[in-house]
Amino acid sequence: SSDLTQPPSVSVSPGQTARITCSGHSLSNRYTYWYQQKAGQAPKLVIYKDSERPSGIPERFSGSSSGTTVTLTISGVQAEDEAEYYCQSADTSATYRVLFGGGTKLTVL
Amino acid sequence: EVQLVESGGGVARPGGSLRLSCAASGFTFDDYGIGWVRQAPGKGLEWVSGINWNGGSTGYADSMKGRFSISRDNAKKSVYLQMNNLKTEDTAFYYCARRSSSSIPDWYFDLWGRGTLVTVSS
Repeated sequence: SSDLTQPPSVSVSPGQTARITCSGHSLSNRYTYWYQQKAGQAPKLVIYKDSERPSGIPERFSGSSSGTTVTLTISGVQAEDEAEYYCQSADTSATYRVLFGGGTKLTVL
Repeated sequence: EVQLVESGGGVARPGGSLRLSCAASGFTFDDYGIGWVRQAPGKGLEWVSGINWNGGSTGYADSMKGRFSISRDNAKKSVYLQMNNLKTEDTAFYYCARRSSSSIPDWYFDLWGRGTLVTVSS
């Protein structure tokens, strides 16, 4: 089990908005990071520090935080966005304790 | 090209050992901490271990403490993960990842290798 809880799956049609949540007690006072992992590929950072976007990540990817729940929003979903998405945070009790959510499979219908 | 390349995966017996390597190129290696993250086939990501820029500080997930050891050689631009007393549940793809340079203490990763598969089976 994971200290960060994500829904196993989210499905949307192309052009719609996908919202993937991540919940955990540690999220109220730590940043959250989001990774996209396409089939057969390594993970890729898409959001850092709750809502910042690395260079090269499309503007349709955004992040927000409210209390112990954070949300990755993908606006105007495209077929290429179909992937597994993982949230990540850091445990407040130890520098080297990295926490991952269980992952959410985004299916583009 | 900025990249990380893992090697050293393969098949090991329960109780056996393997040493994974992570070779960096295209960036100033000794500016960055490096971590290992694993993923069992069809499962999610799991934190394994991390090492700071000069090797002076390391950390491990609880289930790997005492069995895994991380080290680095900045002259060779490489990080190593020595895995001892392997268990069948250690079967996974092992990714090395670059800790993003940031003023905050969190570990998160802005560059990942393609992974190397470790299979522990009798």
